[in-house]
Amino acid sequence: SQELEQSPQSLIVQEGKNLTINCTSSKTLYGLYWYKQKYGEGLIFLMMLQKGGEEKSHEKITAKLDEKKQQSSLHITASQPSHAGIYLCGAGRSGGTSYGKLTFGQGTILTVHP
Amino acid sequence: NAGVTQTPKFQVLKTGQSMTLQCAQDMNHEYMSWYRQDPGMGLRLIHYSVGAGITDQGEVPNGYNVSRSTTEDFPLRLLSAAPSQTSVYFCASSQFGSALQYFGPGTRLTVT
Repeated sequence: SQELEQSPQSLIVQEGKNLTINCTSSKTLYGLYWYKQKYGEGLIFLMMLQKGGEEKSHEKITAKLDEKKQQSSLHITASQPSHAGIYLCGAGRSGGTSYGKLTFGQGTILTVHP
Repeated sequence: NAGVTQTPKFQVLKTGQSMTLQCAQDMNHEYMSWYRQDPGMGLRLIHYSVGAGITDQGEVPNGYNVSRSTTEDFPLRLLSAAPSQTSVYFCASSQFGSALQYFGPGTRLTVT
């Protein structure tokens, strides 16, 4: 099984609906990174969470980190077609030469219908 | 700053051919990495480098070679292309001591 599991694998919502994507790690988390990828393009950094209980928001996207559960959630409020794409979570590992390497979940494909 | 750049954007190879995917960054980042992205599998690390002259293997290194002669450049070489190497390849860089990675736009490779 994968070290980072994302759920759901794909999501189709109507514009205006709220949605949540989860990312669960089988190993200790040392930082959790959320990226968004539009089809055919590179990854755009969204948010970084480093401490248990940390919550960050940017526009209509909120991410939380539950260190005890080794889980992060990404919540989008009032979704818009511009939110469509692939959302990936990446986990950092402990220091030294582990920096510069991220382990990624398999991605969640989000479709937002107008 | 251009950030992380990759060339080419698209490439079609025949089985057995070799080629080099180029990656460059202008942010003076010490760490650089190569990932491949396949449907349903997220991104998997191929090779990475923590500085000029230092490289190491990632999760899926077989069939690929890297070198890092300068801080800016980190080319990925396919020695003898196979259909299993059909994928989208991303290069990324990060600062010393940080796991936050900045990604290039990707190279879409098809091996027939």
